[in-house]
Amino acid sequence: DAGVTQSPTHLIKTRGQQVTLRCSPKSGHDTVSWYQQALGQGPQFIFQYYEEEERQRGNFPDRFSGHQFPNYSSELNVNALLLGDSALYLCASSLDLQETQYFGPGTRLLVL
Amino acid sequence: GESVGLHLPTLSVQEGDNSIINCAYSNSASDYFIWYKQESGKGPQFIIDIRSNMDKRQGQRVTVLLNKTVKHLSLQIAATQPGDSAVYFCAETFYNQGGKLIFGQGTELSVKP
Repeated sequence: DAGVTQSPTHLIKTRGQQVTLRCSPKSGHDTVSWYQQALGQGPQFIFQYYEEEERQRGNFPDRFSGHQFPNYSSELNVNALLLGDSALYLCASSLDLQETQYFGPGTRLLVL
Repeated sequence: GESVGLHLPTLSVQEGDNSIINCAYSNSASDYFIWYKQESGKGPQFIIDIRSNMDKRQGQRVTVLLNKTVKHLSLQIAATQPGDSAVYFCAETFYNQGGKLIFGQGTELSVKP
């Protein structure tokens, strides 16, 4: 039973660039949530996708956008990267909106 | 360069001892709570969860206690092992949040062999 997978594992970008991160949910799951985790802090909720729509959004600017595909996989896009966007980006999947979320290994993004 | 981040609370225990990690949650309306374990360089790993209609739930070597009166959650780990060394986060959510998890600060557990 495959768990949550994310790609790439590491990424280095420069300020102003754009980045796309990818996530495949755990087998049987249909809901994907994205979190940003700065060094030494707990994860912060970015947004959640269910039935290919953004269902909830945290306190993040419009530079952060996403998409969910018919196979339930998801992408996180960040435009106009800032130094402060450097963080571990985590994807979590669950079976519908209310159930336990299981996390992937994350993508480490460094913005120079 | 030097990394900058919040200094996590730490708990240091001897191998074989029991560990208790505490968490104060923020929203009295929260009705679902989860403990996650995060090892260095990895994503959070689900340990155990509890709903607000329960006070206690046990898993394998772990017990979660919920005190809604004082909005407090604790994770007890029995016979702590070196492999338990990690950062532990509590997370809360409630039905109207539709699954948005709110994480606590985290506690770093260090197990001495």
